Amino acid sequence: GNSVTQMEGPVTLSEEAFLTINCTYTATGYPSLFWYVQYPGEGLQLLLKATKADDKGSNKGFEATYRKETTSFHLEKGSVQVSDSAVYFCALSDDTGGFKTIFGAGTRLFVKA
Amino acid sequence: EAGVVQSPRYKIIEKKQPVAFWCNPISGHNTLYWYRQNLGQGPELLIRYENEEAVDDSQLPKDRFSAERLKGVDSTLKIQPAELGDSAVYLCASSLGSGSADEQYFGPGTRLTVT
Repeated sequence: GNSVTQMEGPVTLSEEAFLTINCTYTATGYPSLFWYVQYPGEGLQLLLKATKADDKGSNKGFEATYRKETTSFHLEKGSVQVSDSAVYFCALSDDTGGFKTIFGAGTRLFVKA
Repeated sequence: EAGVVQSPRYKIIEKKQPVAFWCNPISGHNTLYWYRQNLGQGPELLIRYENEEAVDDSQLPKDRFSAERLKGVDSTLKIQPAELGDSAVYLCASSLGSGSADEQYFGPGTRLTVT
């Protein structure tokens, strides 16, 4: 079945550091890929998405590229801020056999001033 | 625009007691989801509705869990009787459409503690 694996956290960075959170997936069809973010005390919200191979999703300085050859969708940001401290979830969804969204376990990011 | 509303935000009950969670999705969103999120894990789908029809309830433990979405708007998720292992955050989400690329909008969740 479909699955998502993302790097374990927590990840601790200093402000303005470069961020990479790795995400790989297994899927039988051609899924859409997502990054959701959960700030403390809030619900998950969509950060970015990509719906086909080689698409790049981007938002708020974050970006991720849908790599079909490596089945990956790594999240990157060139310069993190304290306000980026949150839990980041990689997810996939496809229409094979009735769609279902599968989430990774989440990666907690702490950014220090 | 109001987001997805859930209540209560927190609930503490003893095992074997019943509990119910309520969700009001974003206006106009036809698809509604209930997820369970265990500590340190990502959300796992329990049930998905398209309007008032449950189109995927394969992960819902039907011996103790039930859900309804009357009139295709608000939804209620019930557990009866609750077990210690049911302690988790229960998330409701909604989306405008039902395709795999549709963005899901999440509520803040209900944190259930079963003692």
